[in-house]
Amino acid sequence: EDQVTQSPEALRLQEGESSSLNCSYTVSGLRGLFWYRQDPGKGPEFLFTLYSAGEEKEKERLKATLTKKESFLHITAPKPEDSATYLCAPQGFQKLVFGTGTRLLVSP
Amino acid sequence: GAGVSQSPSNKVTEKGKDVELRCDPISGHTALYWYRQSLGQGLEFLIYFQGNSAPDKSGLPSDRFSAERTGGSVSTLTIQRTQQEDSAVYLCASSLSQLNSPLHFGNGTRLTVT
Repeated sequence: EDQVTQSPEALRLQEGESSSLNCSYTVSGLRGLFWYRQDPGKGPEFLFTLYSAGEEKEKERLKATLTKKESFLHITAPKPEDSATYLCAPQGFQKLVFGTGTRLLVSP
Repeated sequence: GAGVSQSPSNKVTEKGKDVELRCDPISGHTALYWYRQSLGQGLEFLIYFQGNSAPDKSGLPSDRFSAERTGGSVSTLTIQRTQQEDSAVYLCASSLSQLNSPLHFGNGTRLTVT
């Protein structure tokens, strides 16, 4: 059965304090791994798709990386507006499987 | 352009009543998904439509839940005889196709069963 675990569950950072979020997965036949951002009261917003180990994608202060067992979302010099829940979702032969997310709070 | 639209945004209903939730996907998106998100839980897959193919209903939690997609566009999720455990945010998403295409989500319908 496909599984995904995100850690930490919650993370509090000071503005400018870089960190990484982890997404560990067990998926048969990985076809892609998606990262989403979700703000309170909103639906998830697509950030990145990673297709193979070694691939990296960047967007502003965010960089996503992928290995055969994990994906990391690196946040460099975060700002308060980066506060949100970040969800990862690997897709194998079966359906997309969403993690429970990491709640990020960036304080000014 | 217009994103995925869901209505109503909030719905409060009494236990035992039926509810209908509506989703307007992005124009041209052939795949449509319904998910449920409960507090502190991950997104729970409910049902998936792809073009004219038979829907994948494997995630529906009970026979009280059903969904249809008319004309390959608008979808309605119906919950009959609602129970308190049905309270959650119901999210709709659409994509160009299933394989490797990112899902684009609406803002959900928050359902509260009293």
